[in-house]
Parts: sequence; C-alpha cells; structure tokens
Amino acid sequence: DGGITQSPKYLFRKEGQNVTLSCEQNLNHDAMYWYRQDPGQGLRLIYYSQIVNDFQKGDIAEGYSVSREKKESFPLTVTSAQKNPTAFYLCASSTGRSLEAFFGQGTRLTVV
Amino acid sequence: GENVEQHPSTLSVQEGDSAVIKCTYSDSASNYFPWYKQELGKRPQLIIDIRSNVGEKKDQRIAVTLNKTAKHFSLHITETQPEDSAVYFCAASRAAGNKLTFGGGTRVLVKP
Repeated sequence: DGGITQSPKYLFRKEGQNVTLSCEQNLNHDAMYWYRQDPGQGLRLIYYSQIVNDFQKGDIAEGYSVSREKKESFPLTVTSAQKNPTAFYLCASSTGRSLEAFFGQGTRLTVV
Repeated sequence: GENVEQHPSTLSVQEGDSAVIKCTYSDSASNYFPWYKQELGKRPQLIIDIRSNVGEKKDQRIAVTLNKTAKHFSLHITETQPEDSAVYFCAASRAAGNKLTFGGGTRVLVKP
C-alpha cells in the first residue's frame, strides 16, 4: 500500500522537551515537506527537502530542525526553542514531474 | 517570496447553489496552482490543479480559472452538495522549486 505515513497521530510534550515527528513515504518521491497548521489558518512551510542530504528553511523554520538521510524519511524535531509548538503538523511529498503534493494524515502536537 | 491571499475565509451556500473562492498570488514566476480540500481532522487532498499554460480546467462539478496577467485564480463548485462542506486551500508554486505556498483557506458550509 503506497503512501506517506506520519507518526504518532497525537503527541504530548512537556515544556522544555524536544520531540521528533516521523514522516515516511514509499512513493519514491524526491521532495518532502513539513507544514504547520494552526486552527482556522492555512498551511505554513517549515522545512523542505528536494534531494537526500539537502534541505532548505521554509517560512517558519525557527525552533525546528530536520534531517534527510534517506529518500524515504524526513523527520522533524520540534526543539525547546519553539515557543508555541502546539499545532497540527503535516508532512508531504512530491515528484518533480507531477508537482502534486501528497499529504500524510498529520500529527497533532500539544504542549502540556 | 511568494504570497497567496485567499477570499473569503468562510462561505455558506444553499445546497444546489454555486460556490466561488478566489486567490491572488504575488510571484509572477509561479506557474502551478493546485486546490486542496481538507475535511475535519483529515489530510488535505488535491481536487484540481492548473498550470499557467491554460486558462481554465474542469472536472465534473469543479472548475478552476487562471488569469496570469492579474495574478489571480478561482475555484468554482457548481450544484453544491453537503459533502462539499470542508476547508479549501489554494496554493502556488514555481515548477522548478516545487515549493507550495498556501492561501489561508476557505471554510465552505453547504446547507441542506
């Protein structure tokens, strides 16, 4: 079953802790993205990667970090430097040919 | 960078009527314009897209129009049904960079 999988679906973090959100795809897509969605708002780009071992900051990268060691995987770490991390996080992937972005089911992160 | 504005933020229509959502973009180099539908708590899914070499595209009850000179594009849904109730996002990207910039979203409610 091909697709893009995010885990966990729900995540609770204590203030001051780093947490890592997982994103895996078996679509053989080169590009992967992380977006943040706040209630009633659009999707804002955190980081993106067009190729393995390379990634670029998006519009709201402060307080986040990523790695792209494998084509299939693009984990996002929310660090303690992110002051307002409670949000819905969406991972996506795409190929250069079709341009269509496929989204994972999302991870809802809550700071407690 | 690219900036995408989307209006209205909420739209309530009677079942069977049409719904129109409008987006403007700032980067004249953008040439790919997708529309995503997001149902409550779920992932965004592509419903239609258009590239800059065409002015209009239709798929059953939905259509998208693009005016490159004015830098705006619109989503038209005809004969609306209750299952059309969702949040709709427009987006824009340059084909080469493949990074999608999203509008703020439109919450559409179709009243029976």
